[in-house]
Amino acid sequence: GENVEQHPSTLSVQEGDSAVIKCTYSDSASNYFPWYKQELGKRPQLIIDIRSNVGEKKDQRIAVTLNKTAKHFSLHITETQPEDSAVYFCAASQQGGGNKLTFGTGTQLKVEL
Amino acid sequence: GAGVSQSPRYKVAKRGQDVALRCDPISGHVSLFWYQQALGQGPEFLTYFQNEAQLDKSGLPSDRFFAERPEGSVSTLKIQRTQQEDSAVYLCASSLSGSSGTEAFFGQGTRLTVV
Repeated sequence: GENVEQHPSTLSVQEGDSAVIKCTYSDSASNYFPWYKQELGKRPQLIIDIRSNVGEKKDQRIAVTLNKTAKHFSLHITETQPEDSAVYFCAASQQGGGNKLTFGTGTQLKVEL
Repeated sequence: GAGVSQSPRYKVAKRGQDVALRCDPISGHVSLFWYQQALGQGPEFLTYFQNEAQLDKSGLPSDRFFAERPEGSVSTLKIQRTQQEDSAVYLCASSLSGSSGTEAFFGQGTRLTVV
């Protein structure tokens, strides 16, 4: 089955700096890669996603890049703000699997003032 | 409702007790998923329904875990003879269809503590 690895497990940045979180996946059949943000005690919420026919996608301060050949994808957050502090999870799914998600182990992002 | 609703939010069970966790998906959502999230980890897939049909239960850790969605809407995850290793947050998610790339909306989860 699919295996998703995520790094780093913790990331501390100064307000205004950029943050990058990286994930790798094992199954070349995976074709959908969402990123979820989870604040303490709250539900995971989708912040951005990318499909395998696209190499990059951007939404305001958030961008995701995908390298299908290397089987890795990354989340980029620019101009970080304190409210960006949360745990971020990458995930992967594939056609035919009912869209079940395989998650990474999460990155605790802390944006310091 | 506006989102996926789960109840109870918190459940404390004595070891050996049976528990039932409820999920109300977004109205009209065909697909429903259960995930288990241990402390400090990412959610792990348990089972998947398309309408009332349970199409994938490969993630259920043992035969003590049972899920149902009899009318294709509300789902219940039942854990029999709970053990300490069952302590986790149980997340339910729903999506409009089962096609890859369809956004999954999560509930707030039920935090189960087995003592």
